[in-house]
Amino acid sequence: GQQLNQSPQSMFIQEGEDVSMNCTSSSIFNTWLWYKQDPGEGPVLLIALYKAGELTSNGRLTAQFGITRKDSFLNISASIPSDVGIYFCAGPTSGTYKYIFGTGTRLKVLA
Amino acid sequence: ETGVTQTPRHLVMGMTNKKSLKCEQHLGHNAMYWYKQSAKKPLELMFVYNFKEQTENNSVPSRFSPECPNSSHLFLHLHTLQPEDSALYLCASSQSGRPIYNEQFFGPGTRLTVL
Repeated sequence: GQQLNQSPQSMFIQEGEDVSMNCTSSSIFNTWLWYKQDPGEGPVLLIALYKAGELTSNGRLTAQFGITRKDSFLNISASIPSDVGIYFCAGPTSGTYKYIFGTGTRLKVLA
Repeated sequence: ETGVTQTPRHLVMGMTNKKSLKCEQHLGHNAMYWYKQSAKKPLELMFVYNFKEQTENNSVPSRFSPECPNSSHLFLHLHTLQPEDSALYLCASSQSGRPIYNEQFFGPGTRLTVL
């Protein structure tokens, strides 16, 4: 079945550094969503992408919908301690109303 | 209350107990979802309700029984659970069940521990 692979699985960075992570699929997606989950909480939607090549920003976050429609990227600029958490990508499975979620990228920021 | 709320936030139950999880959305959405999140695994979709009708049952064991009395409320009834059912159970809602232009908004989850 369809699945989403995220990389890296985890990363430790210094405060102020930029962060890049990606999400890839073996099949085409028409929508990409990026969520962040803090410990003990539900995922919070960060950015939604609907068109191949689309580049969308939300504050220090920028996400891109890959041209091949099989990948998406999330960048965080000038990281701060509250960026700590797990970042998930998600997309709808073809022909259904179901979203599948990636394996997550765990981000830790060192002050 | 705003967004999606879930109660209780934490639940410990024995394998012979019966309990229920509650979810309420205050967003005027028409679709609601139950997900299971286990450690080091992707979120697993369990059930989807669209306009109060169940549209997805993702091969979930019958010891989990969902109920959607209206578009704002969703329940997950639990009975004779197993320790491996311990997980974070997340509720989400979206404007409709269609996947396009239809972001899901999540509640804070119920942390379930089965002894």
